[in-house]
Parts: sequence; C-alpha cells; structure tokens
Amino acid sequence: EAGVAQSPRYKIIEKRQSVAFWCNPISGHATLYWYQQILGQGPKLLIQFQNNGVVDDSQLPKDRFSAERLKGVDSTLKIQPAKLEDSAVYLCASSLGLAGVPYEQYFGPGTRLTVT
Amino acid sequence: GQNIDQPTEMTATEGAIVQINCTYQTSGFNGLFWYQQHAGEAPTFLSYNVLDGLEEKGRFSSFLSRSKGYSYLLLKELQMKDSASYLCAAPFGSGYNKLIFGAGTRLAVHP
Repeated sequence: EAGVAQSPRYKIIEKRQSVAFWCNPISGHATLYWYQQILGQGPKLLIQFQNNGVVDDSQLPKDRFSAERLKGVDSTLKIQPAKLEDSAVYLCASSLGLAGVPYEQYFGPGTRLTVT
Repeated sequence: GQNIDQPTEMTATEGAIVQINCTYQTSGFNGLFWYQQHAGEAPTFLSYNVLDGLEEKGRFSSFLSRSKGYSYLLLKELQMKDSASYLCAAPFGSGYNKLIFGAGTRLAVHP
C-alpha cells in the first residue's frame, strides 16, 4: 500500500514570497490533515478535511495560509506572504477518519520550509 | 482545554530499559496514542490505549491510567535505532479524530 506522498521535500524562500505544498493521501482515506511542526515541538494541527470539506481550520492563520482539497483526494497548502516564523516542517497526514472513533493517522515525509 | 506534558530529553544505554512518561488533561477522553519520530522523518504509529493497563507489542509496551491522566511508553532491550523522539498524542474534538501532540521526548541511546 502506497503511503502519504508530499512534495516538495525541501523549500527555501525569502520572506514575503509565496509557496505551495502538495499532498496525496492514502487511497480511500477520507480525512486529511495538515500539521506545522516547528523544531523541538510536536506537530500542531492547521486544518482538517473530511472528503473535500473543511472540518476544522481554527488554527490556520487565514490571513496568509490557505488550503484546499479538490475532489476529496489531493490537497494543497499555500502560504502567501511567508514570514520568518513560518520556517517549519509541514506534515500531511491521512486516516480513515470515521466520526466518533479515533483512527491512526499516517504521515507523509513532510516539507521542510526555510524562510530567509 | 487540552494539555500534554512529557520530558524533553532522556538518555539510556543500549540493551537497557527506558520508560517515557506522559501526563495529559483533556476535555473528554478517548484514548492516547504514542508515535515515534526519527530526526528528519515523519511520525509513525506505535500504540493506542483506550483502556487502563499495559499493552505489550514486542519490545515496546504502553500503559494507561485514566484516573491519573497518565501514560508511559516502555522500551526494552534498547537498540541504537531506538534513538528518536517519542510523541504522546490525545484525540479531541467532535468525532475525536483530531490529535493534540505533546512536544515529544528525545531519546538518545548510547553504546
């Protein structure tokens, strides 16, 4: 079974530039998550999708971050404009995600973003 | 609210046993996850406890006490490859299919 795919693996940009990350979840997984992991911290949830609808985006800085999951499969996360504090690893995860039951989340390899 | 605490760093010797503790406060409870994360890699699932007690899975075991808001991960016969961060995570929210993670415990295994 193929795992969660993410690209690019690494990205270096200057502050105020824009950047986009792509994620392809495990086939059949209805729920997709984007996390931000700053060095030395645990992953912090940014946004959760159920199929192609947003379930929770309460921690997404909506003035600069946006995400979409068209057709309920692939997803993109965009930052525009980037700030220095956005330097982090952006992890995508997916799960079967049926409501009421915690499911194991499967993580992709992440995108390491450096903002200079 | 939700809060998860775990030690920042631990060191241990190859072949030894180490216990990584996690204390949590959550509004509602629906189990506790442990994930392993090697440097520069994605977290991978280790265990999920929903009932009190010890669950053993090979060299790794996980314990839960719901009344005390406490869990631990026990690693036996430590190997160098066990050097990694160990993340404790609790489900929350409607549907309980979101996770809040602790900051992780960095374990260094020495020869």
